[in-house]
Amino acid sequence: AQRVTQPEKLLSVFKGAPVELKCNYSYSGSPELFWYVQYSRQRLQLLLRHISRESIKGFTADLNKGETSFHLKKPFAQEEDSAMYYCALRPNAGNMLTFGGGTRLMVKP
Amino acid sequence: SAVISQKPSRDICQRGTSLTIQCQVDSQVTMMFWYRQQPGQSLTLIATANQGSEATYESGFVIDKFPISRPNLTFSTLTVSNMSPEDSSIYLCSVGEGGSNQPQHFGDGTRLSIL
Repeated sequence: AQRVTQPEKLLSVFKGAPVELKCNYSYSGSPELFWYVQYSRQRLQLLLRHISRESIKGFTADLNKGETSFHLKKPFAQEEDSAMYYCALRPNAGNMLTFGGGTRLMVKP
Repeated sequence: SAVISQKPSRDICQRGTSLTIQCQVDSQVTMMFWYRQQPGQSLTLIATANQGSEATYESGFVIDKFPISRPNLTFSTLTVSNMSPEDSSIYLCSVGEGGSNQPQHFGDGTRLSIL
């Protein structure tokens, strides 16, 4: 069975500082990895996915199969980045998502 | 991406009663899912709603407690039966396209409180 771990429940940084939200997974096959974000009073929305290999709102995430990680990074955090971030895994032969526990990012002025 | 509407957005219910949550999508989708997010917790998949057949439930969730309907490709309901305070959660509908690499998208959720 697959598992997604986000070791930090809360990450607090100052505006302009780099930020890295950690995500580790366990799965025997080749999964698809996602980052979802939930801003205050908004719905859960897709931030990025590993197959897109793109930067969204300055965030990037690289799938490291050797370390089974998919950490989310941004070089300069902004106050509007404050939100709840969830890492999620989808098996290569399935449709269901398995979510990590989530990390609350707080960017202080 | 598809527009997903959930009703009600929130409700406060008495224990022992049942509530049906509706999920309407503005386009036909292959896959519809129901998730639960308990207070302070992450999302857990309850079941996959299958069009024209019984839903596929995840471990720990049963049809008697969470009956699901999926009469067509744009609509699904989740009923939370015989509610207890432990059922107080946010319930989310999600849609996706099976067999494709499209990501899942989520509704706003239904915040349910049981007294």
